Amino acid sequence: GENVEQHPSTLSVQEGDSAVIKCTYSDSASNYFPWYKQELGKRPQLIIDIRSNVGEKKDQRIAVTLNKTAKHFSLHITETQPEDSAVYFCATTGGSQGNLIFGKGTKLSVKP
Amino acid sequence: NAGVTQTPKFRILKIGQSMTLQCTQDMNHNYMYWYRQDPGMGLKLIYYSVGAGITDKGEVPNGYNVSRSTTEDFPLRLELAAPSQTSVYFCASSSGGGARGNTIYFGEGSWLTVV
Repeated sequence: GENVEQHPSTLSVQEGDSAVIKCTYSDSASNYFPWYKQELGKRPQLIIDIRSNVGEKKDQRIAVTLNKTAKHFSLHITETQPEDSAVYFCATTGGSQGNLIFGKGTKLSVKP
Repeated sequence: NAGVTQTPKFRILKIGQSMTLQCTQDMNHNYMYWYRQDPGMGLKLIYYSVGAGITDKGEVPNGYNVSRSTTEDFPLRLELAAPSQTSVYFCASSSGGGARGNTIYFGEGSWLTVV
């Protein structure tokens, strides 16, 4: 079945710096790649997503890139702020019903 | 806007006890899901449903059961609780399947400890 690897597991940056989180997947049929943000003690919430017919998508300080040939996609956060501190999960579709398979998460800490 | 509501928020169970986690959504979504999240791990799919009367196993279904008698409700039953079931449980819903790029909306989570 589909397998999603996410790196790094923890990431610490200074406020204002950029942060990059990378995920690789195994199923070439995967066609949807969302990213979720989970603040401490809260529910995961969708922050951005990309479909397989698009290579890059931006939303203000957040961008996601997709390389289908290499089977990896990345989340880029620019001008990081303390409120960006959270756990970020990548996901993609897998299995017979196309359910989301999640990576193990990256804990991002933004130091003021 | 209620969205996905799950209860209880916190629960301590003794080994061997049973309980039901309740989940309801008011967005008229066909798809509903139960995930568990262990510390330092991602979300693992326990069961899902693509509509009333239809349920199917996810990645980690052992020790759990579900039912979907209505579009709104998707309770998760734990039978004979074990310490390995200590986790945070999230109910979620979406208008369509993940493969179509439908956003999944999560409930606030239920923290379950089995002692």
